[in-house]
Amino acid sequence: NAGVTQTPKFRVLKTGQSMTLLCAQDMNHEYMYWYRQDPGMGLRLIHYSVGEGTTAKGEVPDGYNVSRLKKQNFLLGLESAAPSQTSVYFCASSYQDPRVGTEAFFGQGTRLTVV
Amino acid sequence: DAKTTQPPSMDCAEGRAANLPCNHSTISGNEYVYWYRQIHSQGPQYIIHGLKNNETNEMASLIITEDRKSSTLILPHATLRDTAVYYCIVGLAGNTPLVFGKGTRLSVIA
Repeated sequence: NAGVTQTPKFRVLKTGQSMTLLCAQDMNHEYMYWYRQDPGMGLRLIHYSVGEGTTAKGEVPDGYNVSRLKKQNFLLGLESAAPSQTSVYFCASSYQDPRVGTEAFFGQGTRLTVV
Repeated sequence: DAKTTQPPSMDCAEGRAANLPCNHSTISGNEYVYWYRQIHSQGPQYIIHGLKNNETNEMASLIITEDRKSSTLILPHATLRDTAVYYCIVGLAGNTPLVFGKGTRLSVIA
């Protein structure tokens, strides 16, 4: 049982390049989330999904796109990377049902640097 | 979702109880109180959550005041490995995802 796995763990991009971050969970969770964390700051929600085929905007969605084609995967895309997107990105998933538990499980993060 | 207020930092001696406070004066009746922590640069880790009653698990205890406007997370015997940023979050179960503030940086000192 791997939990939440993020790929890649580290990446350096040049300004204007594109990339996709992959989040995979093996807990059959309905909800999945992408957060970013800048130095000395708390986590800020980028986008989230409440089920396969659905996505919704969070606090800081600009410059990012997401897709949830399969229940177990949640992809975060940067179409044209900017230095302001240098951050640590965390993916999380949860079941969101108080009858069975609502805790969120987080991946170990992807450290992205845009130069 | 209701907002929370936490002290930016706290120190605790190793082996002593760490009591981390959280104010959530605008909490609504069906909002839960969640606690997470983040050790160094790892992904946040769930600790505990509660609605009205006090809760205890193998990691910590959560004490919620009767009016639910504040709560305290208690780590009964803090160790150096408990040094982390602790986040208090309130939200509706089954609703939108967790909104993190800046949390409390707990330093456990030998």
